[in-house]
Amino acid sequence: GQNIDQPTEMTATEGAIVQINCTYQTSGFNGLFWYQQHAGEAPTFLSYNVLDGLEEKGRFSSFLSRSKGYSYLLLKELQMKDSASYLCAVKDSNYQLIWGAGTKLIIKP
Amino acid sequence: DTEVTQTPKHLVMGMTNKKSLKCEQHMGHRAMYWYKQKAKKPPELMFVYSYEKLSINESVPSRFSPECPNSSLLNLHLHALQPEDSALYLCASSQEGRGTGNEKLFFGSGTQLSVL
Repeated sequence: GQNIDQPTEMTATEGAIVQINCTYQTSGFNGLFWYQQHAGEAPTFLSYNVLDGLEEKGRFSSFLSRSKGYSYLLLKELQMKDSASYLCAVKDSNYQLIWGAGTKLIIKP
Repeated sequence: DTEVTQTPKHLVMGMTNKKSLKCEQHMGHRAMYWYKQKAKKPPELMFVYSYEKLSINESVPSRFSPECPNSSLLNLHLHALQPEDSALYLCASSQEGRGTGNEKLFFGSGTQLSVL
């Protein structure tokens, strides 16, 4: 079967750095997405990785290792507004999106 | 305009009611999606419309009936729902829906549905 694993919940301190991991087992791979979802709001696109390596976009970076079936989202200089759920999703060989259950990130002052 | 607008935001209905969820986008996207999301669970794909034609129906019960009147609008008609259908219903759109790798989804904020 197809599976995406990410931690259910993480807590971090304002101003710090946090890394949210995602491991996947899918039939084929056509890219990995990270989305952010604040409570009661729309999920919004953060990043897309299809090749191995690190993609940096401001305070957020996303890393991919296809051989390990592994990605992480790195958030630097955490702000209170970063409190949200972070969803990892992989496109399989049929270009269907397989979603993780999301990681709820709690930022403390 | 990069918004996907969903109405209503909240809906409470009885098991004998008929209601509709509405979704609208004006980004010129040709693919629109319905997802169902339960708390602490991943979004589950229900339907995909590509160029106003239903292209994916993920074995959804017939009490859910999608409709795509035009490329900007997507409805989900609800009839005789069960309490286990209570969930957040998310609409999304994407540029083409033809399964290219980096095509990203734009989501609406969802309708929180409670079935009593």
